[in-house]
Amino acid sequence: DAGVIQSPRHEVTEMGQEVTLRCKPISGHNSLFWYRQTMMRGLELLIYFNNNVPIDDSGMPEDRFSAKMPNASFSTLKIQPSEPRDSAVYFCASSPWTGLSEKLFFGSGTQLSVL
Amino acid sequence: AQSVTQLDSHVSVSEGTPVLLRCNYSSSYSPSLFWYVQHPNKGLQLLLKYTSAATLVKGINGFEAEFKKSETSFHLTKPSAHMSDAAEYFCVVIDYGGSQGNLIFGKGTKLSVKP
Repeated sequence: DAGVIQSPRHEVTEMGQEVTLRCKPISGHNSLFWYRQTMMRGLELLIYFNNNVPIDDSGMPEDRFSAKMPNASFSTLKIQPSEPRDSAVYFCASSPWTGLSEKLFFGSGTQLSVL
Repeated sequence: AQSVTQLDSHVSVSEGTPVLLRCNYSSSYSPSLFWYVQHPNKGLQLLLKYTSAATLVKGINGFEAEFKKSETSFHLTKPSAHMSDAAEYFCVVIDYGGSQGNLIFGKGTKLSVKP
């Protein structure tokens, strides 16, 4: 298996632009998670899905952030409009379980820079 | 609420010498604790986990961690560091009281290994 695949690896954009991050979880995994990593705040859970359904989005910082999972093999995290403080590494992770997730399989992340 | 504190943001050792990465936890009940490792430009990978079966937990790549309830600690150790161990290490606890599936990550400890 190729693991969790995220694209793009790097994204540089200007303030105000729309940014879309993409994730393909491991086939057969039932849960998908979006995390944000910054120096100041470390790793933060933004949202997670069980069986394509959003379960908890309380970590989504603002209405500018939205996430979708139209099917079991694809998810997007969208920021519109983007701001410089959104600059971070965004990780997608998947898990074969729908319960408390002991083991997550992480993608390599998308490094986002908003100028 | 569950939390973990990694006491060192950066640890530097020489190749062949022991590694000690410190983590203290705070929990209202018996915790489930983990160590994840993140190599440069890669996603996080589970190193080992403690779920109350045994206090000394062995993980991949020769790492182990000991759960000490009296000290509320879960330090990560390795007898002899290898250059390939250079990475960032995260102590993690499951937040049972929070959102289902929420892993609480420490701020991370960056391990440098000198030749």
